[in-house]
Amino acid sequence: GNSVTQMEGPVTLSEEAFLTINCTYTATGYPSLFWYVQYPGEGLQLLLKATKADDKGSNKGFEATYRKETTSFHLEKGSVQVSDSAVYFCAFQKPGSARQLTFGSGTQLTVLP
Amino acid sequence: GAVVSQHPSRVICKSGTSVKIECRSLDFQATTMFWYRQFPKQSLMLMATSNEGSKATYEQGVEKDKFLINHASLTLSTLTVTSAHPEDSSFYICSVLASQETQYFGPGTRLLVL
Repeated sequence: GNSVTQMEGPVTLSEEAFLTINCTYTATGYPSLFWYVQYPGEGLQLLLKATKADDKGSNKGFEATYRKETTSFHLEKGSVQVSDSAVYFCAFQKPGSARQLTFGSGTQLTVLP
Repeated sequence: GAVVSQHPSRVICKSGTSVKIECRSLDFQATTMFWYRQFPKQSLMLMATSNEGSKATYEQGVEKDKFLINHASLTLSTLTVTSAHPEDSSFYICSVLASQETQYFGPGTRLLVL
């Protein structure tokens, strides 16, 4: 069935470190892929997205590339900041009329000064 | 994107009472909205898809008579938790399906049932 597997956390990094959060998906067809971020006590904010193979989504220094061959959409940032501390969710949207999102389990990131 | 608000942001109620949560799309006319719930340190679970002018579509295992959804206009969907019990305590989040098939989320409503 359709699912998203996300790197388990928590992840703790020092400021300016390199970040990778792995995400792979299982889906039929060609889903759209998303990364959302959730700050404590808040809803989800769209961080970036990609809608077709080899697309690269980017925002606020974060990047992720839609890799069809490895069914992956790993999130990366070259230099994290304390303000990046949050929970990150990978998600995909099934092609077709449902337009529902399937979320990964979320990865807690803590960046230490 | 779309700007989405929820009201209230936090509510505490007694067991057996009903609670209504509003989700508003402030700058986009939303034909479709979604309702999710999130338990602590867990991911979001889709509860139902709310379609303007028609009945909501509920996910398997979600009681439609307990979680009443009304999407009477293109900017407002409401979720009413009827006869709430402590196990209904959770973080409820709505989203709007906006342009380019992208969902934008509200800030969430934390419900505590005593």
